[in-house]
Amino acid sequence: GDSVTQMEGPVTLSEEAFLTINCTYTATGYPSLFWYVQYPGEGLQLLLKATKADDKGSNKGFEATYRKETTSFHLEKGSVQVSDSAVYFCALSFAGGTSYGKLTFGQGTILTVHP
Amino acid sequence: DAGVTQSPTHLIKTRGQQVTLRCSPKSGHDTVSWYQQALGQGPQFIFQYYEEEERQRGNFPDRFSGHQFPNYSSELNVNALLLGDSALYLCASSLQANQPQHFGDGTRLSIL
Repeated sequence: GDSVTQMEGPVTLSEEAFLTINCTYTATGYPSLFWYVQYPGEGLQLLLKATKADDKGSNKGFEATYRKETTSFHLEKGSVQVSDSAVYFCALSFAGGTSYGKLTFGQGTILTVHP
Repeated sequence: DAGVTQSPTHLIKTRGQQVTLRCSPKSGHDTVSWYQQALGQGPQFIFQYYEEEERQRGNFPDRFSGHQFPNYSSELNVNALLLGDSALYLCASSLQANQPQHFGDGTRLSIL
């Protein structure tokens, strides 16, 4: 079945450091890919998405590029802030077929940014 | 514009009891999905409702059932609760299944 694997966490960085969180996926076909963020005590918020190969999603300084050849969608940010501390989830879904509309998530990566 | 709202926020039950969780989708959204998030894990898809029917179902037992009402709001019912059902239950809504899903803040269910 479809699956998403994220890098082991937690990740601890100093403010203004560069962030990379790795995400790879296994799927039959070509899914849409997402990054969601979850702040303490809250639900998930969509951070960015990409719907086809070589698409780059971006939002709030975060970026991720859909790489079909490596089945990856790594999240990056050039300079993190304390307010970026949260749990980050990579996810996939399909626009059709038997898994239509179902989100499959990775296990999440905890990011802590220190001043 | 209200987002996805869930009630209650927290709930404590004992083994064998039954529970109903509620979700109001974001205005204009017609599709509701439910997810279970165990502590330290990613959300797991339970099922999805559209036009008052269950359209997709994840790998959850029949103890988990749901309903969608004509106003698109939804309920998740869990019977014969087990300790392993303790989790954060998230509701997400979208305008059609292939559009980005918007999540509520969840219901934290604890089973004693």
